[in-house]
Amino acid sequence: AQTVTQSQPEMSVQEAETVTLSCTYDTSESDYYLFWYKQPPSRQMILVIRQEAYKQQNATENRFSVNFQKAAKSFSLKISDSQLGDAAMYFCALTSGTYKYIFGTGTRLKVLA
Amino acid sequence: DAGVIQSPRHEVTEMGQEVTLRCKPISGHNSLFWYRQTMMRGLELLIYFNNNVPIDDSGMPEDRFSAKMPNASFSTLKIQPSEPRDSAVYFCASSLHIQGDYGYTFGSGTRLTVV
Repeated sequence: AQTVTQSQPEMSVQEAETVTLSCTYDTSESDYYLFWYKQPPSRQMILVIRQEAYKQQNATENRFSVNFQKAAKSFSLKISDSQLGDAAMYFCALTSGTYKYIFGTGTRLKVLA
Repeated sequence: DAGVIQSPRHEVTEMGQEVTLRCKPISGHNSLFWYRQTMMRGLELLIYFNNNVPIDDSGMPEDRFSAKMPNASFSTLKIQPSEPRDSAVYFCASSLHIQGDYGYTFGSGTRLTVV
């Protein structure tokens, strides 16, 4: 069975600072994809960043980057220069390329002005 | 593209009533998903359609729930009769699976409250 664990229910960061959200996962598949989704108060789930397991290079999208440690089955999200608009729930998700995604329980990020 | 469009955004209904949630996926996407989000259970996949055909409905909680996709641009999720424990946010998502997996595009969800 595949699992995704987000051990931080809530995190806080000062505006303009950097924060890292943790995610660990477990899968027996050799080929899989990992995602971070953002859910702001508006409720819509927004794809932030995507990582293909066969790629060693960490994905980056502007201020968002991941630290993908395949052997450790770790997939953390780093947000640099945090902005008030980054405040949201963040979900880590795993799929082995089938239609089924396994979502973590989420981390609520608060950004302090 | 306007993205995945769901309606209504909010729905309040009385126990025992029929509820229909609607979804318009992104044009050209061949996969459609209905998810339910609650505090207790997180995000749960209810049903998955591929090319308008239901592929996996194992997540549908019980016979009171049904979903249809009559064409590539429209899907419904129906609950009949509704119960208070059905109160949740229901998301529709679509995706295009060709090579690799590029993630879902979610709608804004429907918050259902059954009183």
